[in-house]
Amino acid sequence: DQQVKQNSPSLSVQEGRISILNCDYTNSMFDYFLWYKKYPAEGPTFLISISSIKDKNEDGRFTVFLNKSAKHLSLHIVPSQPGDSAVYFCAASAGAGGTSYGKLTFGQGTILTVHP
Amino acid sequence: DTGVSQNPRHKITKRGQNVTFRCDPISEHNRLYWYRQTLGQGPEFLTYFQNEAQLEKSRLLSDRFSAERPKGSFSTLEIQRTEQGDSAMYLCASSSIGTSYEQYFGPGTRLTVT
Repeated sequence: DQQVKQNSPSLSVQEGRISILNCDYTNSMFDYFLWYKKYPAEGPTFLISISSIKDKNEDGRFTVFLNKSAKHLSLHIVPSQPGDSAVYFCAASAGAGGTSYGKLTFGQGTILTVHP
Repeated sequence: DTGVSQNPRHKITKRGQNVTFRCDPISEHNRLYWYRQTLGQGPEFLTYFQNEAQLEKSRLLSDRFSAERPKGSFSTLEIQRTEQGDSAMYLCASSSIGTSYEQYFGPGTRLTVT
């Protein structure tokens, strides 16, 4: 049962344009969402996060939007740069406190390629 | 701060052998997590520790898998009687209690079972 889904395996974007990566989830207990970026031969690196009490969080070129009613979140990268080329994972967590605190459920990942 | 380190980076073993991986978290982090990642998938949660206590284990963690974190510092993940299906990247991550969602990952140990 895939509770976090990234339906686009890959995305190709021109440098300077906007990259939009999408993620859907099914578990209504999820209350914190994160995006991680992964380069080859490295572990995932935390990028940006959002709590379920917000619908938008911005950090420089990266903005995450959360639509709780649709159980959908997206990551916008503006402007996209060739160095952004990586695998992007959406992740979610449920229940601040308790035994599941900090346990992350990941999507399958989207390979982003930004062309110069 | 040198980040999360994992050893070895690569391990090739024959089916039926035992293997052990080590993870050294960021020194001030008291939470440590193990994940497994197979090709084309995101990391899947295996288990996590708060200090030396193992607080949760996934159903993915069969009885052939055991994890320890003696003294709340480094952690080891042992797989006994390896099977070909165990071939994967094993990732370790650490975090502080106050920011448990923001986990810092190591580079992983790639296990190949032949």
